[in-house]
Amino acid sequence: EAQVTQNPRYLITVTGKKLTVTCSQNMNHEYMSWYRQDPGLGLRQIYYSMNVEVTDKGDVPEGYKVSRKEKRNFPLILESPSPNQTSLYFCASSPGADFYNEQFFGPGTRLTVL
Amino acid sequence: AQSVSQHNHHVILSEAASLELGCNYSYGGTVNLFWYVQYPGQHLQLLLKYFSGDPLVKGIKGFEAEFIKSKFSFNLRKPSVQWSDTAEYFCAVTTGFQKLVFGTGTRLLVSP
Repeated sequence: EAQVTQNPRYLITVTGKKLTVTCSQNMNHEYMSWYRQDPGLGLRQIYYSMNVEVTDKGDVPEGYKVSRKEKRNFPLILESPSPNQTSLYFCASSPGADFYNEQFFGPGTRLTVL
Repeated sequence: AQSVSQHNHHVILSEAASLELGCNYSYGGTVNLFWYVQYPGQHLQLLLKYFSGDPLVKGIKGFEAEFIKSKFSFNLRKPSVQWSDTAEYFCAVTTGFQKLVFGTGTRLLVSP
């Protein structure tokens, strides 16, 4: 089944403890992206990647890192999480970077930073 | 920078009522427009999209949207809602390389 998977789905952590949220897609998509969803703010893009080894900042990149060493994986790294990073995170992928392509979303990761 | 406005943050309807959710965007160039739906506890799913051609776009589950370029709008409609349409709806716009900008969302509650 074509899908985007994220792990973990739920995570409670403490301030400053490094964590990684994994994202994987099995559709051979070139483009991948991370969003965070907050009440009243909709979804905001954190980072995106147009292809392997090509990443760039979205609208809210502060406090996050990403890497794209393989086409299928696009992990989101929080080196020193803070409470303001408590949010619902979605990974998405798309066949290509041009704007005619639909983005496919993962199931989401609900992160709480205490 | 482009932005998307969804003026209705919460909408409550009875079953069989008609639905129209507003979406306005700010960008003067060529745009692609999307409506996504997020059912409770689930991920975002594409309802419909507009790239070009007929400005009246039909999507899944009886939804449709009309692109009115002069008004910078892409309102979502459904003639008769069902309880199962209870969800959060997001309008989104792309203007370039997969720069997908979302509105803040509209929570729809349909009472049986």
